Amino acid sequence: SQTIHQWPATLVQPVGSPLSLECTVEGTSNPNLYWYRQAAGRGLQLLFYSVGIGQISSEVPQNLSASRPQDRQFILSSKKLLLSDSGFYLCAWSGPLLSRTDTQYFGPGTRLTVL
Amino acid sequence: GIQVEQSPPDLILQEGANSTLRCNFSDSVNNLQWFHQNPWGQLINLFYIPSGTKQNGRLSATTVATERYSLLYISSSQTTDSGVYFCAVEHGFQKLVFGTGTRLLVSP
Repeated sequence: SQTIHQWPATLVQPVGSPLSLECTVEGTSNPNLYWYRQAAGRGLQLLFYSVGIGQISSEVPQNLSASRPQDRQFILSSKKLLLSDSGFYLCAWSGPLLSRTDTQYFGPGTRLTVL
Repeated sequence: GIQVEQSPPDLILQEGANSTLRCNFSDSVNNLQWFHQNPWGQLINLFYIPSGTKQNGRLSATTVATERYSLLYISSSQTTDSGVYFCAVEHGFQKLVFGTGTRLLVSP
């Protein structure tokens, strides 16, 4: 069966520091991968998605970037964190383009606090 | 872009009560999913339901795509049903747009 991992689970970082959040998926090949952010008490906002290695689409302009160095690895980064980057970051995967699997499955999330 | 609105925003129930959560969307969609976010933040898939009706235990969902709404029914609610319920619609290639959520509290 497929599993999705995220780390760290929680993170407290000062303003201006760099960020690296990692997401890995097991048990599937060539997944679509997604990064979402959830502000406190609100819905999820799609930040980035990727259909393959090195292929990244950005949904909103922001202080963050994403990379996919391996098929089942998705990384969210920032060079200098802002207070507004605080939130709950969720990684998700779904089947590849030609798959009939249209559902998305979410990881456990990383709770980021920028002070 | 597409708008996804959920109602009610908050709901408090006694254990054993039934409830109906609604999701309205402003444009045609490829599919629709319901999720439950537990108090620890984990999002659990409940239903993938672009149209029609599905049931899973005490939960069922109905989507009427032509009228742009979906309903989630919870029967005989339990305290473990507490959390936030989201609907999300696929608008464009496998990109989910999430609704505003319904926060449910089931008290014993």
